[in-house]
Amino acid sequence: NAGVTQTPKFRILKIGQSMTLQCTQDMNHNYMYWYRQDPGMGLKLIYYSVGAGITDKGEVPNGYNVSRSTTEDFPLRLELAAPSQTSVYFCASSYSSALLEDTQYFGPGTRLTVL
Amino acid sequence: AQSVTQLGSHVSVSEGALVLLRCNYSSSVPPYLFWYVQYPNQGLQLLLKYTTGATLVKGINGFEAEFKKRETSFHLTKPSAHMSDAAEYFCAVTHSNQFYFGTGTSLTVIP
Repeated sequence: NAGVTQTPKFRILKIGQSMTLQCTQDMNHNYMYWYRQDPGMGLKLIYYSVGAGITDKGEVPNGYNVSRSTTEDFPLRLELAAPSQTSVYFCASSYSSALLEDTQYFGPGTRLTVL
Repeated sequence: AQSVTQLGSHVSVSEGALVLLRCNYSSSVPPYLFWYVQYPNQGLQLLLKYTTGATLVKGINGFEAEFKKRETSFHLTKPSAHMSDAAEYFCAVTHSNQFYFGTGTSLTVIP
C-alpha cells in the first residue's frame, strides 16, 4: 500500500490564482481530513469527510472547498489564493472516526506559497 | 472551548537522558488524547493515544504518557533518549468532532 499520497509537493501561486491539492489513499478508509500547518503552530483542521459524498467544515474552512466523489480521493480547492493561505497542507485518513479515537495516517504534505 | 498547551517549544536532552514533554488540556468533558511525532519534511505519525481504561499508555519507540485527570495533563516521557528521537512532537485532543493540536515541541538530542 502506498498509504496517503499528496500532489504536488511544492507550489508557488500568485494572489488570486486557483489550484487544487490532490489527496489519495489506498487503504479503503472512510474518513479523510485536510489540515494546514503554519510555522510554529499545530495543525488546524480545514475540512473533513466521513465518506463519499459527505463533507463537513473543520476549524478553519474559509477560502477552501472540498469534494469527495470517491472513497479514495479528497481534493482541496483554493479558488482565490491569498498570502494568508501560505502554509503546509496535510491530508490524512482513518478507517473510522479519528475525531473520536481512531488512528489517522498522514500524507507527506504540500508546501504552498502565495505571493 | 478546547485547547491544548505544550509547555516549552524547544527541549534539549542528552543522549540517554530522560525525555519529558509536557501537555495540558482544557476540556469540559473527558477528551481523547494523542501524541504525534513529525520528522523533518514528513507527515505526522501517531506515537500513542488515550481513549478509555488504563491511564498509563505505552506507545511506539519506547514512549509512554499518563493521563492525569485532576491535573488535566498528558505528559510524554521516555526513559532514555536516542538520537533518532530528535523531531517535533504534537499533543492533540479531540472533542465534538474537532481535532485540536498543540503548537508543538521540538526535541533536540545532544550526543
